[in-house]
Amino acid sequence: QVQLQESGPGLVKPSQTLSLTCTVSGGSISTGAYYWSWIRQSPGKGLEWIGHIYYSGNTYYNPSLKSRVLISGDTSKNLFSLKVNSVTAADTAVYYCAGWAETTSFDPWGQGTLVTVSS
Amino acid sequence: EIVMTQSPVTLSVSPGERATLSCRASQSVRRNLAWYQQKPGQAPRLLIYGASTRATGIPARFSGSGSGTEFTLTISSLQSEDFALYYCQQYNNWPPYTFGQGTKLEIK
Repeated sequence: QVQLQESGPGLVKPSQTLSLTCTVSGGSISTGAYYWSWIRQSPGKGLEWIGHIYYSGNTYYNPSLKSRVLISGDTSKNLFSLKVNSVTAADTAVYYCAGWAETTSFDPWGQGTLVTVSS
Repeated sequence: EIVMTQSPVTLSVSPGERATLSCRASQSVRRNLAWYQQKPGQAPRLLIYGASTRATGIPARFSGSGSGTEFTLTISSLQSEDFALYYCQQYNNWPPYTFGQGTKLEIK
């Protein structure tokens, strides 16, 4: 059973870079079973898909965030990462990592981590 | 971008009764629609995919229907643990995948 766990700073200053990691257990990110995804949830915008990475290294991003986002994978550590540049208060949210599959959509999910953008 | 609209925003139902939640897509998503349940402090949990297929471990009282632009999630006999937030999400046209704004199911 694949499990995901987010980690990273809970507080980021405006204009800086938000960096999060999702560690995968119970399965390898090197298979084609899932697209490895980041999703965020804020009171103002609800659930918002950020982007995902496939085992091939191909990445796909939400057009609304594409200019500020980078998703990468580390197969040696079985994890994938998110970077969001030039953050503002609007980037304050709970960030989730999840696996997406064509047949089942988003499942499983990590527990989520709250990131607050504030000086 | 496909916009997903859920109704009602809040639904008040008594335990043991049936709840019907609606989701509308701004254009056809065929049957590429999922439903999620979210409880406070928890991540969303997949309930239904492919518009009508229950995910592993989901009780039979949860059922999904619809195709194209109109979808329904029905909970046949509400249990106390079913009072939560529910979201629909389309995965037919991406990027981006898009979610509805949610329906809060509360105890009447």
